[in-house]
Amino acid sequence: DAKTTQPNSMESNEEEPVHLPCNHSTISGTDYIHWYRQLPSQGPEYVIHGLTSNVNNRMASLAIAEDRKSSTLILHRATLRDAAVYYCILRDVFRRTGANNLFFGTGTRLTVIP
Amino acid sequence: DAGVTQSPTHLIKTRGQQVTLRCSPKSGHDTVSWYQQALGQGPQFIFQYYEEEERQRGNFPDRFSGHQFPNYSSELNVNALLLGDSALYLCASMRTGSTQYFGPGTRLTVL
Repeated sequence: DAKTTQPNSMESNEEEPVHLPCNHSTISGTDYIHWYRQLPSQGPEYVIHGLTSNVNNRMASLAIAEDRKSSTLILHRATLRDAAVYYCILRDVFRRTGANNLFFGTGTRLTVIP
Repeated sequence: DAGVTQSPTHLIKTRGQQVTLRCSPKSGHDTVSWYQQALGQGPQFIFQYYEEEERQRGNFPDRFSGHQFPNYSSELNVNALLLGDSALYLCASMRTGSTQYFGPGTRLTVL
């Protein structure tokens, strides 16, 4: 599975935007870019995913580089509830039918400062 | 609509014992995956069940086994527990091809 690289930790002030980077230089043409986050004492939570175009949902935005070798998760206004570990994961949509599991790295620990 | 539920929340066992963890998937989901998360690490894929069969398996020994029932719920069994099996065990469910949704996990401590 293609590998992703993320910073170990980042800090942000409350109510400011946060840009969480992810490098995936070995991404293949059929890999979707997924982001999950894990709040303390909880299971991972789906945030957003995309293939080539930038994506927006109620939680965040995903900006994907034109060459797809990197992406950025954007939280438009960080709140204290956004403090979590954020995982960037590649998932091959054409891997053996249905067997599309997630391979997590160590993620980025986001600290939000009041 | 209840999400993915897991039981028990916490469990303490001693080395050599056996343990069974349970998972009920989100309504409408037919596929269940299990993950192990050691302290400070990301979740590691154990195996996935679909139509009551193991469809894919990660790099875990045969001491780890599972089962899926006709109602799509699932069990994870671990035999001959080792200290290194202490971890958070996560269950995730999905409809085939869709996004995975995770439960809150079962914290297993092996003494």
